[in-house]
Amino acid sequence: AQKVTQAQTEISVVEKEDVTLDCVYETRDTTYYLFWYKQPPSGELVFLIRRNSFDEQNEISGRYSWNFQKSTSSFNFTITASQVVDSAVYFCALSEAPVFPGTALIFGKGTTLSVSS
Amino acid sequence: DTEVTQTPKHLVMGMTNKKSLKCEQHMGHRAMYWYKQKAKKPPELMFVYSYEKLSINESVPSRFSPECPNSSLLNLHLHALQPEDSALYLCASCQGDYNEQFFGPGTRLTVL
Repeated sequence: AQKVTQAQTEISVVEKEDVTLDCVYETRDTTYYLFWYKQPPSGELVFLIRRNSFDEQNEISGRYSWNFQKSTSSFNFTITASQVVDSAVYFCALSEAPVFPGTALIFGKGTTLSVSS
Repeated sequence: DTEVTQTPKHLVMGMTNKKSLKCEQHMGHRAMYWYKQKAKKPPELMFVYSYEKLSINESVPSRFSPECPNSSLLNLHLHALQPEDSALYLCASCQGDYNEQFFGPGTRLTVL
């Protein structure tokens, strides 16, 4: 069975602190896709990144970085020098492959990040 | 254009009302989804349309009725809802290559 675990329910940091959001997944598939979404208070789920199971390169995009480790089934997300605008709920998600139009995403329960000034 | 639009943004309805939620995308995506999200919970899949055909119905009560008039539009018809149906309803679309789903801003539904 496929499962995504985000053990951190809530995290509070002060601006400029670095913060890491953990994501652990379970799947029997050898090919799969992992995602991170951000949901600010406005409600819209914003796509941040997709990572393929066969690509373990870490990714950096500005203040955001992602660490994918198949050996520990983890796909962690780090925000460097956090800002108030980073306050949101962050969801990690998993998708099996092959993907057909209409394949479901398996979401973790989400981590609420609060950044104070 | 990487946008999914949803109308209305907010909806308040009584238990005897009939209303519809609308979703539109112009990215040529082949799959469209309805999710329901309660506060502090992840999105919960309701329906999936693939190539305009209903492919997944996650045992949703019949008071929710989806419709896909064409490849760009997705509706969710609501009838005789219960107060526990109050939630954020999110629409998403996906081309299907890697299952990157793009979400609309959602409709906040309150059932009185």
